[in-house]
Amino acid sequence: SQQGEEDPQALSIQEGENATMNCSYKTSINNLQWYRQNSGRGLVHLILIRSNEREKHSGRLRVTLDTSKKSSSLLITASRAADTASYFCATRTGTASKLTFGTGTRLQVTL
Amino acid sequence: SQTIHQWPATLVQPVGSPLSLECTVEGTSNPNLYWYRQAAGRGLQLLFYSVGIGQISSEVPQNLSASRPQDRQFILSSKKLLLSDSGFYLCAWSVSLTRGPLGYTFGSGTRLTVV
Repeated sequence: SQQGEEDPQALSIQEGENATMNCSYKTSINNLQWYRQNSGRGLVHLILIRSNEREKHSGRLRVTLDTSKKSSSLLITASRAADTASYFCATRTGTASKLTFGTGTRLQVTL
Repeated sequence: SQTIHQWPATLVQPVGSPLSLECTVEGTSNPNLYWYRQAAGRGLQLLFYSVGIGQISSEVPQNLSASRPQDRQFILSSKKLLLSDSGFYLCAWSVSLTRGPLGYTFGSGTRLTVV
């Protein structure tokens, strides 16, 4: 079953704008991760945020985590055409050796 | 550095034929290994994972099986493919639980079409 649900399912913006994607999950987590998938390719790990962290930055990426609301957001600032991809959140619960992925947000960045 | 190899990239197989997809990891030891399937435009469904040689955990009952004959080799198999087995199959690895946070590294995927 899907643990995470991304919102929106699809997002279209112009180059230079910021893109915000949200992820909601159902059960308590150990950490939450964001991945990017270019069309027809494998997923690439972007960033990991632990359950005791509230915000994390990596380059143009900013991730927030609100464990009380069981939600996370991924912000991509100053988007580029190369950011066009699907973005997935994934959660690890307890001591499980596995991640559960959400349904993904398809981001389209146009020139 | 660690690398993950997954092949073939694409595969077209008739219904009822067998399947064998292979995934190997280089540059690390005792990795956790995973097989996911992704339907078109959908999220990832965990099929199998393994925390050691010969240790396989199955997440969903289905027409597939997995084996880990060597530390860095993970094989996805089927004796008789069904149309519903079509999809994009992804292999991934991560460090084991005791070695830190579990970020995954994915292979490039296999597009399987059962006809």
